[in-house]
Formats: sequence, C-alpha cells, structure tokens
Amino acid sequence: ILNVEQSPQSLHVQEGDSTNFTCSFPSSNFYALHWYRWETAKSPEALFVMTLNGDEKKKGRISATLNTKEGYSYLYIKGSQPEDSATYLCASRTGTASKLTFGTGTRLQVTL
Amino acid sequence: DTAVSQTPKYLVTQMGNDKSIKCEQNLGHDTMYWYKQDSKKFLKIMFSYNNKELIINETVPNRFSPKSPDKAHLNLHINSLELGDSAVYFCASSYISAGELFFGEGSRLTVL
Repeated sequence: ILNVEQSPQSLHVQEGDSTNFTCSFPSSNFYALHWYRWETAKSPEALFVMTLNGDEKKKGRISATLNTKEGYSYLYIKGSQPEDSATYLCASRTGTASKLTFGTGTRLQVTL
Repeated sequence: DTAVSQTPKYLVTQMGNDKSIKCEQNLGHDTMYWYKQDSKKFLKIMFSYNNKELIINETVPNRFSPKSPDKAHLNLHINSLELGDSAVYFCASSYISAGELFFGEGSRLTVL
C-alpha cells in the first residue's frame, strides 16, 4: 500500500447501531497513525494518535486499534448517536519529521 | 479564545491577483502547517515550519510562498492567482513535528 486508504467512503447507520471503519496505510517506516473527526463547517479535531503495534485507544464510545505490521487501523463507534455524524479521517506519518498523509475519510451519517 | 485562527475565512478574487492568508496560533506550538483541501476533499500538505524554519515543502508552484515571522504565525502568500487555486486552505499547528494537529477553520479562496 503506497497511500492512505479508508473504507467505506460513506456509511449510513441508525441511532444505537455500532459501526466500524478501516484505514490502510504503508507499513514500512511507520511512525504514527492519527484519527481525526471532521464535522461539517468545522475544522478537523484529533481523536487519537497511535504509535505502537497492537495499541488500542478509547475515548467515550469511540475506540481504535492499530496493526503496524500489516498496515491497518480500525475505528469503532459503539451505540452511534446523531452527534457522531461527521467525516472520520485517518492520517499516517512515516519518520519523525515527515509529512502526515491523510486518507479521503469515511463520512458517517447517523439518523434517528 | 481561538487556538488556531486564520484570516480571511472567505476570499473572492480575480485571476492574476496576489493575495495572502494569515494564520496565528496561541497554543505555544513549535510546528505550523498549510494544507490544501482539493476538489476531491483530500487534505494535502503544502508546507510545514518548525520554529520558523521550513521543514516540509511539497511540490507546490513557486507562486505559493509561506512566511513565518515567528513561531506563532505562518502566512501564505499566493502570486498570480489561477482558477485552479480555488480551494479551502487549512492552517494547523502541533506541539512537535510528530504530534497531533490542531486545525484552523479554513480559508475558502475563490478565483474568478
């Protein structure tokens, strides 16, 4: 994998559903994997920065896992709420001073 | 009290003009960035400065020139604007060059 890829591109779930998305990134020279939440008409906000293989982070109903050997990360949302509706971006950094490369995001819409 | 602020938020101008977008952060961060959100909604790195020194310079036309008078400010000057420069430009900062990014609200540039 040469670029950061996210799937699915968009997702539509009902309130209360649990959901997850995937981020695939280059595994060679891996340094860090970031997840951001981007609400419409606002700026992206960091959710997690993960560096260690097998790392798992949690913030409320949102959690993320990281596999640096195979180059993927999962973001999970438990019991989705309408306020979770946003685009979720992941970004990969290789090396300490290299650029952060973003994926195109997964657009989540949660309806009542 | 905005952490990363950009001005102007909206800018409409004619082809061939020169314009600047200003960015200031009050977080005490060492590293600042300019990202461009392209037509496919990708966030692409343009420049990164660490303590006023340029550390990342992506393949960006010479018409784009960043200037960092101090580590709290990173301005973007664009000469001879072209139609293809129309985009949303995001400023961001981080505590270290490998840390999570804090984004401004974006500046929407429209070139007519």
